[in-house]
Amino acid sequence: GAVVSQHPSWVICKSGTSVKIECRSLDFQATTMFWYRQFPKQSLMLMATSNEGSKATYEQGVEKDKFLINHASLTLSTLTVTSAHPEDSSFYICSARTLSSYNEQFFGPGTRLTVL
Amino acid sequence: QKEVEQDPGPLSVPEGAIVSLNCTYSNSAFQYFMWYRQYSRKGPELLMYTYSSGNKEDGRFTAQVDKSSKYISLFIRDSQPSDSATYLCAMSGGAQKLVFGQGTRLTINP
Repeated sequence: GAVVSQHPSWVICKSGTSVKIECRSLDFQATTMFWYRQFPKQSLMLMATSNEGSKATYEQGVEKDKFLINHASLTLSTLTVTSAHPEDSSFYICSARTLSSYNEQFFGPGTRLTVL
Repeated sequence: QKEVEQDPGPLSVPEGAIVSLNCTYSNSAFQYFMWYRQYSRKGPELLMYTYSSGNKEDGRFTAQVDKSSKYISLFIRDSQPSDSATYLCAMSGGAQKLVFGQGTRLTINP
């Protein structure tokens, strides 16, 4: 149980284009989903917290107009990187929290974004 | 000073050795402590979850929390090459956010 999937697993795009990443909880309902980014050999940095049906809460320094987050259902959240630039190249990971496991987060496999 | 400090390693040990991984923290409000394992280019996998102080054992893994010293540990017994990964400690104070350590890269040599 508690499986989280992400799609795509990797994506290459041109500078200036937008990229959408999907995060799904496959066997549970996730009231809250989190989006992280991870640079090589570094830890996870929280970008935003997303609650189903409401606006995401962004961490300090994260541009909400650049990283659009939608959490339209209890099993799906999307992150759209708008007008991507090479410095946005990173490993993006989502996680989800179950209704019963208040502090446990279950992570997706990650999406590697490369912006040319 | 970071809220959570973790030695990034790398740490290399022979197969069968006992591995000790540690994190220190500064926020006394942290109550929930987790260890995640992350293989290269993969998402983190939850290994151990502990509330407050004490020990928790699961197979070859033992997690210890010492809140008085603000120090947590993960022990791996009879280490295997398949345990080679980056191990991340994470903790929270009951709010939604997890605070992660930097991660320790571990290699188990056959």
